[in-house]
Amino acid sequence: DQQVKQNSPSLSVQEGRISILNCDYTNSMFDYFLWYKKYPAEGPTFLISISSIKDKNEDGRFTVFLNKSAKHLSLHIVPSQPGDSAVYFCAASVEGGATNKLIFGTGTLLAVQP
Amino acid sequence: KAGVTQTPRYLIKTRGQQVTLSCSPISGHRSVSWYQQTPGQGLQFLFEYFSETQRNKGNFPGRFSGRQFSNSRSEMNVSTLELGDSALYLCASRQIIGTGVETQYFGPGTRLLVL
Repeated sequence: DQQVKQNSPSLSVQEGRISILNCDYTNSMFDYFLWYKKYPAEGPTFLISISSIKDKNEDGRFTVFLNKSAKHLSLHIVPSQPGDSAVYFCAASVEGGATNKLIFGTGTLLAVQP
Repeated sequence: KAGVTQTPRYLIKTRGQQVTLSCSPISGHRSVSWYQQTPGQGLQFLFEYFSETQRNKGNFPGRFSGRQFSNSRSEMNVSTLELGDSALYLCASRQIIGTGVETQYFGPGTRLLVL
């Protein structure tokens, strides 16, 4: 039972445009959400997070939006750069993130074309 | 500060064998978690250790076990290997200094191939 779903296995975007990566979840107990980026042969790197008490969190070119009623979150990257090409995982947890037990989606491969 | 290190980076085993993977967390980090990454399932949580005690466990069979030492280094063991255990095994560490949220930092992983 996949509690966190990333339905798009891949996404291709032109450099300078917006990249939108989507994530859906089923467990209403999740109260903390994170996005990680992963390059080949490296471990995931933390990008940005959001608590369920917020609906938006912004950090530079990265913005995460949370729609609790739809159980949906998205990551916006503006403007996209070739160095952003990687696999992006969304993850969720309970206990406000004060736990190492993250439930990950299956990832979306983002390719930013120069 | 050095990052999370995992050894070995690559490993080939045969069915029925057992394997031990090692993880050294970032200095000062006392919490270590293990994840399994496979193409079809993504990253799945195995277990978490803090102060040498298992704090949390995922839905994996008892063939998967772990431990943590007093210096926070952790090992993960898989016994009676099966073909489906072929995966990238990731270790992550976290500091845990209060009630705030601290980020997990991942190591590069150990890629295990079971033949």
